[in-house]
Amino acid sequence: KNQVEQSPQSLIILEGKNCTLQCNYTVSPFSNLRWYKQDTGRGPVSLTIMTFSENTKSNGRYTATLDADTKQSSLHITASQLSDSASYICVVSDKAGGTSYGKLTFGQGTILTVHP
Amino acid sequence: DTGVSQDPRHKITKRGQNVTFRCDPISEHNRLYWYRQTLGQGPEFLTYFQNEAQLEKSRLLSDRFSAERPKGSFSTLEIQRTEQGDSAMYLCASSLGLAGQKTDYEQYFGPGTRLTVT
Repeated sequence: KNQVEQSPQSLIILEGKNCTLQCNYTVSPFSNLRWYKQDTGRGPVSLTIMTFSENTKSNGRYTATLDADTKQSSLHITASQLSDSASYICVVSDKAGGTSYGKLTFGQGTILTVHP
Repeated sequence: DTGVSQDPRHKITKRGQNVTFRCDPISEHNRLYWYRQTLGQGPEFLTYFQNEAQLEKSRLLSDRFSAERPKGSFSTLEIQRTEQGDSAMYLCASSLGLAGQKTDYEQYFGPGTRLTVT
């Protein structure tokens, strides 16, 4: 069964500090890995998407890494801001079999709270 | 704002009632997806449309659930005889996609419809 596990479940940091969120997956065959940010009561918004051959990708203060051998990914947030408070969801897409749609498997999310 | 809209944003209903949600995808997107998200969990796939064709349904989609996309544009998700366990956020997403191609395009999510069954 395809699974995506995230850690920690929740994290509290002070404004201006850095943090790193972790994601382990068992999705096969692997297509790509995405990180989404979801504000409370809103839909997820994509931060990064990485394919098998990509080791790192940045989007402003967000940097995602991917180790396809160990099936691990991390999301590093630099110089955190109050607006970074949200749930961060790791999502892995498999390579479609008979359909043209790669099914997404979502992690449960890491709830990040940034305090002033 | 991703360009995907959902209506209503919140719905409170009594157990046993029917509810219908609407999703308007980004206009040029031909793929549309429905997900369900319970508190503290990531979204779970419910169903997927390529244009007006419903190509895949999750086992989560019981007989009480039905989704349509009659003209390949907006979609509706109906839940009949609601149960308290149906209380969740229902998310819609859309993406580009070419029939027969396995290219995986970015999905853009709507704000969701929060359903509370009392």
